[in-house]
Amino acid sequence: ETGVTQTPRHLVMGMTNKKSLKCEQHLGHNAMYWYKQSAKKPLELMFVYSLEERVENNSVPSRFSPECPNSSHLFLHLHTLQPEDSALYLCASSEDQGRNTEAFFGQGTRLTVV
Amino acid sequence: RKEVEQDPGPFNVPEGATVAFNCTYSNSASQSFFWYRQDCRKEPKLLMSVYSSGNEDGRFTAQLNRASQYISLLIRDSKLSDSATYLCVVNPYGGGYQKVTFGTGTKLQVIP
Repeated sequence: ETGVTQTPRHLVMGMTNKKSLKCEQHLGHNAMYWYKQSAKKPLELMFVYSLEERVENNSVPSRFSPECPNSSHLFLHLHTLQPEDSALYLCASSEDQGRNTEAFFGQGTRLTVV
Repeated sequence: RKEVEQDPGPFNVPEGATVAFNCTYSNSASQSFFWYRQDCRKEPKLLMSVYSSGNEDGRFTAQLNRASQYISLLIRDSKLSDSATYLCVVNPYGGGYQKVTFGTGTKLQVIP
């Protein structure tokens, strides 16, 4: 199994739909992240969870709702999205307390809002 | 000042050239530093960690300058396959947790 797995890999949804992105990590990490990467733009940090507690929310619109039921799983619930929300959504995990905290990424979900 | 800053490029270099990227960071308490590579339409992957004494991995050399708060990546004898976006990553510590913070990335295009 790969370290960080994201599903689905591709998603097309209408503006009135509700969908969820799933991320699972098998690395025993305590920190998990959601990033957004739009075309030709850098990675934008959306949310940070540490030990299942949300520790950072970078002014993300409420139409994005994260959930971290345990340290291995992270969800991003989507509802009433806008076309400009179309992007690659990347999940990552890292050790929470180690000095050399490398982040491992999933392959991402490519989201298209129509 | 941004937490992590990079020159976005693009850097267009011929095969065989040597190219260097710098990345500055604002938090002097930062503890860990990395370079990631991101290929087009793929997820970022770790290229190498950056140690205080500097480190080398084949054609790649990473260095850290704590006094000036920057890290660098040197690529020697560039290959076409080195074409990618290189992301600087800094790990500050604060608020009881560590947060991996990415720079905007520097795009490298190696030309035949």
